[in-house]
Amino acid sequence: NAGVMQNPRHLVRRRGQEARLRCSPMKGHSHVYWYRQLPEEGLKFMVYLQKENIIDESGMPKERFSAEFPKEGPSILRIQQVVRGDSAAYFCASSLGGSGTEAFFGQGTRLTVV
Amino acid sequence: RKEVEQDPGPFNVPEGATVAFNCTYSNSASQSFFWYRQDCRKEPKLLMSVYSSGNEDGRFTAQLNRASQYISLLIRDSKLSDSATYLCVVNVSPGKLIFGQGTELSVKP
Repeated sequence: NAGVMQNPRHLVRRRGQEARLRCSPMKGHSHVYWYRQLPEEGLKFMVYLQKENIIDESGMPKERFSAEFPKEGPSILRIQQVVRGDSAAYFCASSLGGSGTEAFFGQGTRLTVV
Repeated sequence: RKEVEQDPGPFNVPEGATVAFNCTYSNSASQSFFWYRQDCRKEPKLLMSVYSSGNEDGRFTAQLNRASQYISLLIRDSKLSDSATYLCVVNVSPGKLIFGQGTELSVKP
């Protein structure tokens, strides 16, 4: 049973380009979460999704960021018109249920904006 | 005030030492509590859940005091392999885990 798979592991984008980060949850998990870890900082909650629905996006920046978890395929975190401050590690996690169940993390995507 | 606050560290201890980490949280409606471990900014991994009755897993003991909104982690007989950043995590609403800043532990020979 593969764990949470994120790709790419490393992504370099020039300012103004788009970044698309993918996350395939563990088999059987329908709850997906995205977190961002800026250099020298802790993990910050971004968004919580269930299949085809955004449950909580209180941690998402108001502009340029969007997330989806379609019925088929991986969850996508999309960052439009990237800026240097978007450089960070983006971790995806999945769980079987919502509250109180263990969340398993992927290895993360390290985004560098040049 | 941060939602989850931890001792900043770093903690530098010799092998075999006992070390304690503390954490406070601000949302009294929080339901679930965890300690995660993160090595060299890789993906966080669950160390243990924390219950009001306290729970123990080998050398690790976690305690929760809901009245004080305080969580602790005790590591006995520290090993070199315990060196990592320990993250206090609170589930404030369904699906929303809030992470503390983390406390860095370095165990020396």
